[in-house]
Amino acid sequence: LAKTTQPISMDSYEGQEVNITCSHNNIATNDYITWYQQFPSQGPRFIIQGYKTKVTNEVASLFIPADRKSSTLSLPRVSLSDTAVYYCLVGYNTDKLIFGTGTRLQVFP
Amino acid sequence: GAGVSQSPRYKVAKRGQDVALRCDPISGHVSLFWYQQALGQGPEFLTYFQNEAQLDKSGLPSDRFFAERPEGSVSTLKIQRTQQEDSAVYLCASSLNLGGVGTEAFFGQGTRLTVV
Repeated sequence: LAKTTQPISMDSYEGQEVNITCSHNNIATNDYITWYQQFPSQGPRFIIQGYKTKVTNEVASLFIPADRKSSTLSLPRVSLSDTAVYYCLVGYNTDKLIFGTGTRLQVFP
Repeated sequence: GAGVSQSPRYKVAKRGQDVALRCDPISGHVSLFWYQQALGQGPEFLTYFQNEAQLDKSGLPSDRFFAERPEGSVSTLKIQRTQQEDSAVYLCASSLNLGGVGTEAFFGQGTRLTVV
């Protein structure tokens, strides 16, 4: 599975848009890009998944350039409750999700 | 309860004891996964079942770790002769099927194991 690189931590303020970029230079043709969110003392939670271009749901948007070597998770107007660790995963099957250390997002009032 | 349920939530074991961690996946979910998460780290894959078949156990750290899912629903992760390095959160996840767009894994809250 492709290795991913993302920032260790990010800070933001309530109401701002947060963009977390993930690098995956070795992504394979069949690989999808998936983002999970994890709050303290809870298991990860699926946020969004995409293959190319842009995907949007009620929680976030995922931007994937044409070369697919990176992707950006966009959280619009974050609130304190968005403080969590965000993981970028790349792969085709879900039988072996490979998590990195993730990005710790801290939202301040 | 519509989610993945794990029990116990917390477990303290003396070094050398055997422990058993239980996972109740979402009803009807074919795939079940176990992960180990150390403090400050991302979850690490341990093993995977499709129904009752254990298709991948490459992540189990030693032969002290054993997982089963005999009837294709509830799963148990057993750790024999626990060591301090086994202290971690053990996460269980299930998914409706394997692979493809839109397949997502649903995680339980985990069992925090502390070996003293």
